[in-house]
Amino acid sequence: SQTIHQWPATLVQPVGSPLSLECTVEGTSNPNLYWYRQAAGRGLQLLFYSVGIGQISSEVPQNLSASRPQDRQFILSSKKLLLSDSGFYLCAWSRGTRRGFGYTFGSGTRLTVV
Amino acid sequence: SQQGEEDPQALSIQEGENATMNCSYKTSINNLQWYRQNSGRGLVHLILIRSNEREKHSGRLRVTLDTSKKSSSLLITASRAADTASYFCATDNQAGTALIFGKGTTLSVSS
Repeated sequence: SQTIHQWPATLVQPVGSPLSLECTVEGTSNPNLYWYRQAAGRGLQLLFYSVGIGQISSEVPQNLSASRPQDRQFILSSKKLLLSDSGFYLCAWSRGTRRGFGYTFGSGTRLTVV
Repeated sequence: SQQGEEDPQALSIQEGENATMNCSYKTSINNLQWYRQNSGRGLVHLILIRSNEREKHSGRLRVTLDTSKKSSSLLITASRAADTASYFCATDNQAGTALIFGKGTTLSVSS
């Protein structure tokens, strides 16, 4: 069966510090991968998606970047965090929604920038 | 850009009652999906309905889709306290490459 791992679960970082959040998927190959951010009490904002190794699409230009160094690994990074980067970050994978597949989400990372 | 919009934003009911949540979207879709999120957790996929389907059932869940009105509804029958969560609808973005989620409906079921 397929599983998705996301870590850390909670993170408190000072403004200006770097960020690295990792997401890995097991039990499938060539998944579509996604990073979303959820502000408190709000919906999900799509940040990045990837359909293959090294292929990253950015939905919202901001202080974050993403990389996919391996087929089942998706990393969200920042060189210098801003207060506005605080939020709940969710990684997800899918075989493709147009093909009728839903998303499987990780358990999320709660990031607080102080 | 937001595609789906859920209504109501919040819903409080008693156990045993039915809960109905609505979703409206703006552009044509291939399918529409509903997800559930327990507080502080990731989202869980509940059900997917294709654009050529009008109704779909899964256990106590019933989803309808009206493409002429660009709307969908999620009905949870015989609600339980464990159904307390936020519920989101999601549709493809215009490029068909990712899902766009609404802001969700927060359901509270009291015993």
